[in-house]
Amino acid sequence: EIVMTQSPATLSVSPGERATLSCRASQSVSSNLAWYQQKPGQAPRLLIYGASTRATGIPARFSGSGSGTEFTLTISSLQSEDFAVYYCQQYNNWPPATFGQGTKVEIK
Amino acid sequence: QVQLQESGPGLVKPSQTLSLTCTVSGGSISSGGYYWSWIRQHPGKGLEWIGYIYYSGSTYYNPSLKSRVTISVDTSKNQFSLKLSSVTAADTAVYYCARSIVVVAATHFDYWGQGTLVTVSS
Repeated sequence: EIVMTQSPATLSVSPGERATLSCRASQSVSSNLAWYQQKPGQAPRLLIYGASTRATGIPARFSGSGSGTEFTLTISSLQSEDFAVYYCQQYNNWPPATFGQGTKVEIK
Repeated sequence: QVQLQESGPGLVKPSQTLSLTCTVSGGSISSGGYYWSWIRQHPGKGLEWIGYIYYSGSTYYNPSLKSRVTISVDTSKNQFSLKLSSVTAADTAVYYCARSIVVVAATHFDYWGQGTLVTVSS
């Protein structure tokens, strides 16, 4: 099973600033990585798949990069609605699908 | 627009079987091309994939839960279901159903249900 590790656990950012979230895989997942956003009381929402392709309707301020074992989600200018928990998920070697433990982006 | 909706009891007694159903609208399970999954999230924790089913009935389960999980599909009702046996308090979680696109193999989850909280307690 591939283990996904996200850092940091919590990221404190001011509105308008850039946020950079990291996800590391225990072995290469090529570009088979997705990012999700989850707000309290809601289901996760797909943001990015294929490591860098934005899902339908996702604003351009969200961007993903990386391949192999190191991945980054960047939010270029944080809006109030972006404060949430973000998860990465690999789909190179599944089943089982595996997720990172999440990064909480909170208001500084 | 595809929509998924979980339904089932919100309270289950220890040692009993948890049963949930996911109803899919806006798309047909029997059209193929997608895996239909169950995913759970313990309170305040991360996401754990439970298993998936294809419209044909083929399944795959997370090895950590395999001995207790059964996922089935009813294409006539456009539903798929989860049964988790011998539950304990550790199975208390929000349970989501979700869809993933099949491209050679399963991929990311593009549509999710809203989730349903299941509490295991006597």
